[in-house]
Amino acid sequence: QKEVEQDPGPLSVPEGAIVSLNCTYSNSAFQYFMWYRQYSRKGPELLMYTYSSGNKEDGRFTAQVDKSSKYISLFIRDSQPSDSATYLCATALYNQGGKLIFGQGTELSVKP
Amino acid sequence: EAGVAQSPRYKIIEKRQSVAFWCNPISGHATLYWYQQILGQGPKLLIQFQNNGVVDDSQLPKDRFSAERLKGVDSTLKIQPAKLEDSAVYLCASSLEWAGSNYGYTFGSGTRLTVV
Repeated sequence: QKEVEQDPGPLSVPEGAIVSLNCTYSNSAFQYFMWYRQYSRKGPELLMYTYSSGNKEDGRFTAQVDKSSKYISLFIRDSQPSDSATYLCATALYNQGGKLIFGQGTELSVKP
Repeated sequence: EAGVAQSPRYKIIEKRQSVAFWCNPISGHATLYWYQQILGQGPKLLIQFQNNGVVDDSQLPKDRFSAERLKGVDSTLKIQPAKLEDSAVYLCASSLEWAGSNYGYTFGSGTRLTVV
């Protein structure tokens, strides 16, 4: 079983739609949860960061972590063509010194 | 601030040849990471340096991969000899320090390696 599972998509939505991206993880000890966005031929860039359970909102983006079900979500409201990218969820343990464990990424396409 | 610099951007080699990638992290960033991203997969950590010391190299195939970070600044990742399954993007990332409050990694754009 992979430590972090993510539906690879691809996911195609019309402009303005609400997008829901999800991951599950296996290790209940994970404490830090992140979403990275990766444009084609670029490195990942940190989009959202959450510690433990709860919600975090930043503009059109909302990250949710449910530790009881080991479920991580990213919601994008009013999606734009510029949101077209691969979205990677990632987790980490405090005592592993910064090592990130990534899901395989979901490719998102937002059509004008 | 300048980002994480990586070179070359692309490299095509034949199997059994050797190749080296270079990374220059953001100035002042003590921690440097090398990740391998195979097409359609998420990045996987190969090695992590804190200054010029290795923190984690548990997933580095040491029979063929080596990495060094002399003087705690830039770093080189080498593969010798390369195999077909080494075809991937090699991402370098850096951070000020490992801090639980913010996983503010900055990734470079990567080196895309094709082994034929």
